[in-house]
Amino acid sequence: RKEVEQDPGPFNVPEGATVAFNCTYSNSASQSFFWYRQDCRKEPKLLMSVYSSGNEDGRFTAQLNRASQYISLLIRDSKLSDSATYLCVVNYGQNFVFGPGTRLSVLP
Amino acid sequence: DGGITQSPKYLFRKEGQNVTLSCEQNLNHDAMYWYRQDPGQGLRLIYYSQIVNDFQKGDIAEGYSVSREKKESFPLTVTSAQKNPTAFYLCASRFLPENTGELFFGEGSRLTVL
Repeated sequence: RKEVEQDPGPFNVPEGATVAFNCTYSNSASQSFFWYRQDCRKEPKLLMSVYSSGNEDGRFTAQLNRASQYISLLIRDSKLSDSATYLCVVNYGQNFVFGPGTRLSVLP
Repeated sequence: DGGITQSPKYLFRKEGQNVTLSCEQNLNHDAMYWYRQDPGQGLRLIYYSQIVNDFQKGDIAEGYSVSREKKESFPLTVTSAQKNPTAFYLCASRFLPENTGELFFGEGSRLTVL
């Protein structure tokens, strides 16, 4: 089993749709959690950290369930500019483990 | 501006040649990392370093070497022993005392072996 698994995608959604991405991780010692966004042929950039209490940043909401070892990202009112690959990242100690990513295409 | 600079952006190499990718950061970050990304796949850790003159192997270190002679610099050498070196290489860094701190990435170096 891979350490970090994500929905395989791709997700093709119309503008304005709500879309949710799921991520599971296998190492219960994981300490911190992130969602990164990666545009085609570019470097990953931090979208948001994920906290146990859940957190929101504008149209983006992240949730963490430590008991189930599950992380989610919800995007509301999708924009064309949200089209990218979304990477789930889990950290323990010095180790950052990246999921394979889920590609999102928002269509006009 | 503070950030991480990788060079070159694009590099072509003949089989059997070693090549060195540069990574420099002026963020005063302690830890630096090298990742490899293949098409449609996640990032895989090659090497990381927490302090000067010390570094550890990641999951796919074979065929690669690094050095950390200065805090700001963490060059990666792709040797001829690396069987499939064509990939997108990403350097990252972070501030260690923030134990849950994010990784900051350079723009990447795309290596193609001809």
